[in-house]
Amino acid sequence: QSALTQPASVSGSPGQPITISCTGTSNDVGSHNLVSWYQQHPGKAPKLIIYEVSKRPSGVSDRFSGSKSGNTASLTISGLQAEDEADYYCCSYAGTNTLIFGGGTKLTVL
Amino acid sequence: QVQLQQWGAGLLKPSETLSLTCAVYGGSFTNYYLSWVRQPPGKGLEWIGEINRAESINYNPSLKSRVTMSVDTSNNQFSLKLNSVTAADTAVYYCASRRGLGLYYFDYWGQGTLVAVSS
Repeated sequence: QSALTQPASVSGSPGQPITISCTGTSNDVGSHNLVSWYQQHPGKAPKLIIYEVSKRPSGVSDRFSGSKSGNTASLTISGLQAEDEADYYCCSYAGTNTLIFGGGTKLTVL
Repeated sequence: QVQLQQWGAGLLKPSETLSLTCAVYGGSFTNYYLSWVRQPPGKGLEWIGEINRAESINYNPSLKSRVTMSVDTSNNQFSLKLNSVTAADTAVYYCASRRGLGLYYFDYWGQGTLVAVSS
């Protein structure tokens, strides 16, 4: 069970959009619409920002959106803000009641 | 509002057993699966496994041989034990909850416990 593949880092300027990809296999991301995304600031616990590919929990900014195509899920942040600078992790159901995370992406707001 | 509060020993020697507990407050306790997730320093998240009130357990295959999970339903507490620890098990360990069958996302997290393994 290998971690889902995410870019190690992405960056963008305030107000710009960025997209973080999360690539798995036909056994996890590709088979289920059960991808979630988490934002983690330094020294803090992760926070759920997207679940079931594209749904947003109550209280999460609508600047965060999710999508999926084949074995790759994506998180898009529109209108980058300084407070979006954090680590982002995807997570997918991987079958047989197991879950798998991505390796994480460090977002830098320039 | 659900709150997860966790505790346990923070410094272990190689070959010892890691032991952590997570208490769940609020919400509808009976519906939750409680997972353990760890994060080595400077690295990503790793799902360790989960247990629910009915003691249905699922483990990450890579850790299954060393992990034991249990639940104390009278106190709403979940426990993790990881035996034969090595330096590679040094990490922040989180407990996290998901709401039940078919709902595979973690909406509540504990504060995290740093566990260091060193001789």
